Amino acid sequence: GENVEQHPSTLSVQEGDSAVIKCTYSDSASNYFPWYKQELGKRPQLIIDIRSNVGEKKDQRIAVTLNKTAKHFSLHITETQPEDSAVYFCAASTTGTASKLTFGTGTRLQVTL
Amino acid sequence: NAGVTQTPKFQVLKTGQSMTLQCAQDMNHNSMYWYRQDPGMGLRLIYYSASEGTTDKGEVPNGYNVSRLNKREFSLRLESAAPSQTSVYFCASSWTVSYNEQFFGPGTRLTVL
Repeated sequence: GENVEQHPSTLSVQEGDSAVIKCTYSDSASNYFPWYKQELGKRPQLIIDIRSNVGEKKDQRIAVTLNKTAKHFSLHITETQPEDSAVYFCAASTTGTASKLTFGTGTRLQVTL
Repeated sequence: NAGVTQTPKFQVLKTGQSMTLQCAQDMNHNSMYWYRQDPGMGLRLIYYSASEGTTDKGEVPNGYNVSRLNKREFSLRLESAAPSQTSVYFCASSWTVSYNEQFFGPGTRLTVL
């Protein structure tokens, strides 16, 4: 089955700096890569996703890049703000009726003032 | 719209007791999921239901059973609880299993003594 590795497990940045979280996956058939944000005590929520037919996707201060050859994808957050503090999970899946998401182990991002 | 709801929010069980976690969604989604979240382990899929009338095992199904009662409801049963099942349990739903955002419920914090 799919295996998703995520690094780093914790990340501390100063407000205004950029943050980068990296994930690798094992199944070359995976073609959907979402990122979820989970604030303390809350439920995970989708913040951005990318499909394998594109290499980069942006949404305001967040962006995701995908390198299918190397089987890795990254989340980039620019101009970080205190409300970006949360745990971020990457995930990967194939498509089709048997597809299911495999999540990484999470990155706790702390944005300090 | 309530989205995805779960009951109960908290539960304490003794080893060997049984219980059922309830989940319902009002978004007319076809697919529903049960995850467990443990510190440092990310979100791990227990069971999922790609569509009404079907259920399939995920990554960690041992010790659990599920029922897709109808399109809206998907329950998770622990027949004989063990301390290793102490976790936070999230139910989620999506339009289909492929390429679709998963919407999570608020979670159930379960402690097995």
